Amino acid sequence: QVQLLQSGAEVRKPGASVKVSCKASGDTFTSFGISWVRQAPGQGLEWMGWISAYNQNTHYAQKFQGRVTMTTDTSTSTAYMELRNLRSDDTAIYFCARVPGPLGITGTVYFDFWGQGTLVTVSS
Amino acid sequence: DIQLTQSPSSLSASVGDRVTITCRASQSSDIYLNWYQQKQGKAPRLLIYAASNLQSGVPSRFSGSGAGTDFTLTITSLQPEDFAIYYCQQSYSPPYTFGQGTKLEIK
Repeated sequence: QVQLLQSGAEVRKPGASVKVSCKASGDTFTSFGISWVRQAPGQGLEWMGWISAYNQNTHYAQKFQGRVTMTTDTSTSTAYMELRNLRSDDTAIYFCARVPGPLGITGTVYFDFWGQGTLVTVSS
Repeated sequence: DIQLTQSPSSLSASVGDRVTITCRASQSSDIYLNWYQQKQGKAPRLLIYAASNLQSGVPSRFSGSGAGTDFTLTITSLQPEDFAIYYCQQSYSPPYTFGQGTKLEIK
């Protein structure tokens, strides 16, 4: 059973950066991808991008291009998502989620295991 | 971007009822449409992938159908634990968008 354990809640001021971690266990880390999905308070789900733990290839949603960086550390089976130049509307719960199939192929980017979520609050 | 529109936005039903939630895509998603359940304060849970494939461990009262632009999630014989918010998500092309959600409430 795959488990994804995320880092704790963060509070940042506008303009700052935040880096959220997601530690995987229960499967070979380099055999799957990780996506990040966020959910603003009381709102729906928004896909931010994915990273291959195998070769560190990434694909970011255009909305976040230039502000987000996704990385992995295979030695600790941990994925990271850094979001820069934070605004108040970045206040949300950030989830990491496993993409079980090969990335970059039509139909494969869905999410079968999720982290518990990390609340990021942006407030002056 | 592919826009997904779910209907209804909210739904009241009773234990034992059969319910259907619809997801319409702004352009064809082939069969690459997935369904999730989210309970308050929890991460989403994958129910159905590629339109009609039941995720391991999900009860068989959940089923999905559709292709192209029109998809449905059906829950037969609602159980108390099924009252939640349901989201569709397309995995046809990035950005991998979600529907706005359907809140299923107890009548």
